[in-house]
Amino acid sequence: GAGVSQSPSNKVTEKGKDVELRCDPISGHTALYWYRQSLGQGLEFLIYFQGNSAPDKSGLPSDRFSAERTGGSVSTLTIQRTQQEDSAVYLCASSLEVAVGLAGELFFGEGSRLTVL
Amino acid sequence: GESVGLHLPTLSVQEGDNSIINCAYSNSASDYFIWYKQESGKGPQFIIDIRSNMDKRQGQRVTVLLNKTVKHLSLQIAATQPGDSAVYFCAETRTGANSKLTFGKGITLSVRP
Repeated sequence: GAGVSQSPSNKVTEKGKDVELRCDPISGHTALYWYRQSLGQGLEFLIYFQGNSAPDKSGLPSDRFSAERTGGSVSTLTIQRTQQEDSAVYLCASSLEVAVGLAGELFFGEGSRLTVL
Repeated sequence: GESVGLHLPTLSVQEGDNSIINCAYSNSASDYFIWYKQESGKGPQFIIDIRSNMDKRQGQRVTVLLNKTVKHLSLQIAATQPGDSAVYFCAETRTGANSKLTFGKGITLSVRP
C-alpha cells in the first residue's frame, strides 16, 4: 500500500506474555519512529531508526521493550513480559529523510491497540 | 526537561465559527513546528508546519502563528466544520541529524452543529 501499515490493529494479551507489533513504512522512507499513545494522552516517543545509523532508543521505558528494523524497511516492536501499564496504542511513523526538519512531516500508521489484561 | 504542552484539553466551537488552538513549547532551540490532526481510530495526519524564521503560515482554511518571544504556537481554523472534530497535537523539533518530534498532550476540538 501507499501508506504506513501496522499489524495487528488490535491485540489483547495476558499479563506476562510477550507481544510483537509490526510496522511496514512507506517504501523509500529512511527514517522510522515508534510512539506510544495512552488513553487521552499525547504521543510518547519510544525509538527512532535513522537510516544506517544506530537507533535512538532513548524513549524506551524499560528493558522489556526492544525494536529492530530489518533491511532498512520493516520494523518490529517487541514487548516482553507485558504489564497492564503497557496498554496503549503503539504508533509507527516514517519520513523520507533522516532529519525531520528536512523531510517536512512524519507519515503515521493507524496504530496497534494493545490491551494487557 | 524540555516539553511541549497545550493550554486547554478541550475546545467546543459552533459550526462556522473560527477555532484557535494554542500550544506552548519550552525548548528554545526548537526551530521547526508541526500541527497534526488525529481522528478517532486513526493515526495523526499532518496539517501544517512552520519554521522558526517565519511567524505566520497559511494553508487551506488553516493558519499557524509562531511567537518565538513567548514560545507560543497557535492553529487557527477558519469556518470550522464538523469534519474538523478531532484531537489536535502540536509538535516541535530542532532540525538536523538525529532530530525527532516531541508532541504535546493534544486538545480535542468538538464542533457543534
